[in-house]
Amino acid sequence: GQNIDQPTEMTATEGAIVQINCTYQTSGFNGLFWYQQHAGEAPTFLSYNVLDGLEEKGRFSSFLSRSKGYSYLLLKELQMKDSASYLCAVRDLLNQAGTALIFGKGTTLSVSS
Amino acid sequence: DGGITQSPKYLFRKEGQNVTLSCEQNLNHDAMYWYRQDPGQGLRLIYYSQIVNDFQKGDIAEGYSVSREKKESFPLTVTSAQKNPTAFYLCASSIDGRGVSDQPQHFGDGTRLSIL
Repeated sequence: GQNIDQPTEMTATEGAIVQINCTYQTSGFNGLFWYQQHAGEAPTFLSYNVLDGLEEKGRFSSFLSRSKGYSYLLLKELQMKDSASYLCAVRDLLNQAGTALIFGKGTTLSVSS
Repeated sequence: DGGITQSPKYLFRKEGQNVTLSCEQNLNHDAMYWYRQDPGQGLRLIYYSQIVNDFQKGDIAEGYSVSREKKESFPLTVTSAQKNPTAFYLCASSIDGRGVSDQPQHFGDGTRLSIL
């Protein structure tokens, strides 16, 4: 079966660093994506990992360990506008009929001043 | 600018009524997807299509139907069989549905469906 777990809520202060963890179990792993979603809006793409290791993109970094079924999103120098939901999504091979993203329930991050 | 257009932004459904949500993309993407999002929940896959004239059921296809007659269009019909249709519906597309690319899925702005 497929299962993706991430914390429901996290809080942090401006300027701080926060790490959002994601663990997954899928049968046909084909890459892991992180998306940001502000309330009532569409998700926007943040990062992609398919090989083990760290991918850095400005204030955002994402790490993947395929053997552990584990990823994290690291946000540095937090800003108020980073308050949003962060979605971990695994691209899964679906019965040889293609791939689709399987999403976790999202982590709501609140940044305070 | 290329993108994904969903319409309408808000939609109300009466009991026993079928409604159709529109999704159009001009990104020349092969694959298109429909997700449903309930409050405090992640996105759940309803249907997906890798190529024109082909589509597959996702995790929660019951009460929904789709068509893919054109590459750029993937409309979703919420039928009267879907007893709890109130949700935020998101359409997405990606360059291909085979997972060979590092390109992400791009999302439309969503349609919020409510019961009257």
